[in-house]
Amino acid sequence: ETGVTQTPRHLVMGMTNKKSLKCEQHLGHNAMYWYKQSAKKPLELMFVYNFKEQTENNSVPSRFSPECPNSSHLFLHLHTLQPEDSALYLCASSQGPRTSGSYEQYFGPGTRLTVT
Amino acid sequence: ELKVEQNPLFLSMQEGKNYTIYCNYSTTSDRLYWYRQDPGKSLESLFVLLSNGAVKQEGRLMASLDTKARLSTLHITAAVHDLSATYFCAVDFMDSNYQLIWGAGTKLIIKP
Repeated sequence: ETGVTQTPRHLVMGMTNKKSLKCEQHLGHNAMYWYKQSAKKPLELMFVYNFKEQTENNSVPSRFSPECPNSSHLFLHLHTLQPEDSALYLCASSQGPRTSGSYEQYFGPGTRLTVT
Repeated sequence: ELKVEQNPLFLSMQEGKNYTIYCNYSTTSDRLYWYRQDPGKSLESLFVLLSNGAVKQEGRLMASLDTKARLSTLHITAAVHDLSATYFCAVDFMDSNYQLIWGAGTKLIIKP
């Protein structure tokens, strides 16, 4: 595997279900991100992890719960979601702020989530 | 407030024409990124601009950065249908802990 991978690619879940999204980066980066992209809305940053520590939580509802066990893996645990949570969820990785160079983010293919 | 503004947000143009997408940002930074997103797909990095006056070109796309004007441009030369996509610019600011602040995206449609 190369780059940033995400599973599953598509997910349909009911409002009472619990599911998890998985992201893995093979780039040696130390920062990982979850974004939400809804139709006709700007890209929304949800969570940032840098060296496994959560550094940002942009007022995301508690029904979304991130987990970062190491610098290569990032999970987004989902429970009791609402239909308005249907969106494309993108994972990205980059070098973090304690390193030099650019902070270009590399994106995974995304998980298309539909909440019914 | 850290802001990144793109214009236009929507652009429909004919093949063979030239056009420019603009990206303005609110405060000092010398690092700007351009991404492309095809419908239903993820974001793909196009250009990384890391200094004032930086210019990068790939095929029919050319990006430049003027840090004094806080402005980047993405110029399309002799557009072809395959360039139809949404283009995003993003900036990292020291005040944002180097997280990327994103523009709203420019949806580009190129008609044959």
